[in-house]
This record gives sequence, C-alpha cells and structure tokens, in this order.
Amino acid sequence: NAGVTQTPKFRVLKTGQSMTLLCAQDMNHEYMYWYRQDPGMGLRLIHYSVGEGTTAKGEVPDGYNVSRLKKQNFLLGLESAAPSQTSVYFCASSFQGRMNTEAFFGQGTRLTVV
Amino acid sequence: LAKTTQPISMDSYEGQEVNITCSHNNIATNDYITWYQQFPSQGPRFIIQGYKTKVTNEVASLFIPADRKSSTLSLPRVSLSDTAVYYCLVGPLSGGYNKLIFGAGTRLAVHP
Repeated sequence: NAGVTQTPKFRVLKTGQSMTLLCAQDMNHEYMYWYRQDPGMGLRLIHYSVGEGTTAKGEVPDGYNVSRLKKQNFLLGLESAAPSQTSVYFCASSFQGRMNTEAFFGQGTRLTVV
Repeated sequence: LAKTTQPISMDSYEGQEVNITCSHNNIATNDYITWYQQFPSQGPRFIIQGYKTKVTNEVASLFIPADRKSSTLSLPRVSLSDTAVYYCLVGPLSGGYNKLIFGAGTRLAVHP
C-alpha cells in the first residue's frame, strides 16, 4: 500500500514563483491536512479538509491556498512564493470521525525559496 | 482544545527506560490522549492512544492517572533508533473536532 504520497519531494523556487504540492492518499480517508515544519520546531497546521470539496484554514494559512476536488487528493498552492515559506511540508490523512488518532503522514516536501 | 506542555528535550542512554510526561490540565471529559513519534526527515507516526489508566502496545506504554491532567509515555529499554521527537496531542475522537494540532514536542536523544 502506498499510503500518503507527496509530490515533489524537493523543490527550489525563486521569490515570486508559484507552485502546487500534491498529496495523494489511497486509504479512502475523509480528512486531509497540510502542515509546515521549520527547523527545530513542531508542525503547524496550514489548511485542512474534512471531505471532498471542503477546505478550512488552520493555524498559519496566509500565503497558501488549497483544493480538494477529489477525495484522494489534497493540493497546496503557493501563488507567490516568499523566502519565509522555506520549510518542510507534510501532508496527512485520517478516517472520518477519528481525527485525533492514527493520522498517516507523507514523507514530506522540502521547499526552498531563494 | 486542551493545551499540552511537554519538556523540550531529554537525553537517555541505550537500555534505559524513558518516561516523557505531558501536562494537560484543562483536558475535557471526552478528550483522548495520543502520542506521535517523528524520526528525522520523516513525517510523524502514531504510537499510542489512551483515555485512562494504562495502555500498552508493542512500542510503548501510556500511563494516565485518575485525574487525567497529565500522561506519561514510557519507552522500555530505548535504543539509538528511538532518537526522535515525541508529540502529545489531546482532543476528542469525534464530534466536530477537525484539526490535528501539534505542539513543539519533546526531542529525545539516545546515546550509546
């Protein structure tokens, strides 16, 4: 089983460029999340989704947009990248009604904005 | 959401038992306690979850006192591979809780 797959694994962007990070899960989970993790810090929730077609803001949503057009995919977009968005991005998913248990994470996307 | 407090870092040696305590003074009646482990350059993974008393699995034990205002993750006989960050999360399993909020976690370093 693939679980949660993030694409790409690494990316370098120039300030002002845009990009989309893709998260795909094959576990039929309802809930999906995007986090960022800066060096030596915990994970901070950017956006999340409780089902296909729905999204909501997390702790640090500014500068990011998301879409959940298909249940298995959760896209994170940066419209105009800034150096402050240099971070490792993690996607996660979990079963509906079990939001605080057994969330499955992807391997992360390391993004550098120069 | 219940606020959690954990030590920032801990050090241990191979073969020792490690206990990491998490404080959650304003835990709600329907809240569960969940612990995640994150190895360097990987996403977190679920370790254990409990509501009260003691829970044990093949990885760890979780001790929760009667007042549930704290919990202790116990790792028996740690090895170098247990070096990781450990996160304590508190929240309800269902009923409209849509966010999975991680704190800073406890950075455990296991030494030879």
